[in-house]
Amino acid sequence: QQQVKQSPQSLIVQKGGISIINCAYENTAFDYFPWYQQFPGKGPALLIAIRPDVSEKKEGRFTISFNKSAKQFSLHIMDSQPGDSATYFCAASKNTGNQFYFGTGTSLTVIP
Amino acid sequence: DGGITQSPKYLFRKEGQNVTLSCEQNLNHDAMYWYRQDPGQGLRLIYYSQIVNDFQKGDIAEGYSVSREKKESFPLTVTSAQKNPTAFYLCASSIGTGNYNEQFFGPGTRLTVL
Repeated sequence: QQQVKQSPQSLIVQKGGISIINCAYENTAFDYFPWYQQFPGKGPALLIAIRPDVSEKKEGRFTISFNKSAKQFSLHIMDSQPGDSATYFCAASKNTGNQFYFGTGTSLTVIP
Repeated sequence: DGGITQSPKYLFRKEGQNVTLSCEQNLNHDAMYWYRQDPGQGLRLIYYSQIVNDFQKGDIAEGYSVSREKKESFPLTVTSAQKNPTAFYLCASSIGTGNYNEQFFGPGTRLTVL
């Protein structure tokens, strides 16, 4: 059973546009929500993360929006660039646990 | 340079053979992890280790084995009991377990069973 559901599976955006990737979870014990970026043939790297005590976190062009009541969180990439083309994974975990639960990934392509 | 190394990058194996994937880190991290990545399924945890000589099964441990004899090394053996071993394998490490600790990933090993 997928603990974290991610959509869309793939996304094509024009350069300068906004990319939006959504994730949803059921386990209310989750309290840490990172996003990872993976380029082809490489391992994922942490992009940005949020805890549920805030509704939004912004780092440069990347923003996480978090809706605790809806159990949803999303990644927004503003002014998308071709260099942002990669696969993005959302994840969730419990502070008392040792495991990250990853979404199925979104392949983002930014067209010049 | 500090980081995680995995070798080999590509690995081919015949059915029925065991194969060991290497993972080494020089970040002085206590915790290490092995994930399997398949298209459309994200990353799934195989095994993790919080400390030397200790490791725990993840969600898909069947057909795999690990050892943690040294802090910097966490090799994964894919045994012949693993029914569908062809996949991309990722090793990761973190300062400790507990979810606020960022996991750092290696470049991965792509295993193909012929």
